[in-house]
Amino acid sequence: DTAVSQTPKYLVTQMGNDKSIKCEQNLGHDTMYWYKQDSKKFLKIMFSYNNKELIINETVPNRFSPKSPDKAHLNLHINSLELGDSAVYFCASSPGVGAVYEQYFGPGTRLTVT
Amino acid sequence: AQKITQTQPGMFVQEKEAVTLDCTYDTSDQSYGLFWYKQPSSGEMIFLIYQGSYDEQNATEGRYSLNFQKARKSANLVISASQLGDSAMYFCANAGGTSYGKLTFGQGTILTVHP
Repeated sequence: DTAVSQTPKYLVTQMGNDKSIKCEQNLGHDTMYWYKQDSKKFLKIMFSYNNKELIINETVPNRFSPKSPDKAHLNLHINSLELGDSAVYFCASSPGVGAVYEQYFGPGTRLTVT
Repeated sequence: AQKITQTQPGMFVQEKEAVTLDCTYDTSDQSYGLFWYKQPSSGEMIFLIYQGSYDEQNATEGRYSLNFQKARKSANLVISASQLGDSAMYFCANAGGTSYGKLTFGQGTILTVHP
């Protein structure tokens, strides 16, 4: 059974389009995250939700909007896609909030904007 | 604020030998956690090991151990008896006690295991 899953795995789209990435975890965790990995492999957090409440909102363009319909799901919607949005987006989950909890990552979604 | 520095862009090791991947950190938090992740060429992020700032003993998980030197702010990963499957990118990360679990990652180190 996949612990943290993301769909789609690959996403190729044109500039200006709107797209969504979905994430689901079956670990029973309370906290979920979105990270972005750029072309140089640098990973940076974007958002985090704990029990459906937004707790981390990094400096990310307003075009990115996370939504957590329940504790097991965290989706990422991106409006008006730009070339610079091309990256791998990882969803992750952890049992709780804080520095003591390891995070389990999904397989990633490779977004290519042309 | 958290900062992680991995100074080795690439490392090579012979199969069955041990290798140390360096990581130094900077944090203003008294309580924090240190993590290592492995990213193979297939792209997934695999959690390897965790060390809490108040843990007195170095963490170990199978062939992985974390050499934690708090005064020097270093958290090096030691992989013993390297295997070909250990070839991957390795990331060190930390989370401050007041950061809601936000992981700050280093630049990563590419490890290549030679047969």
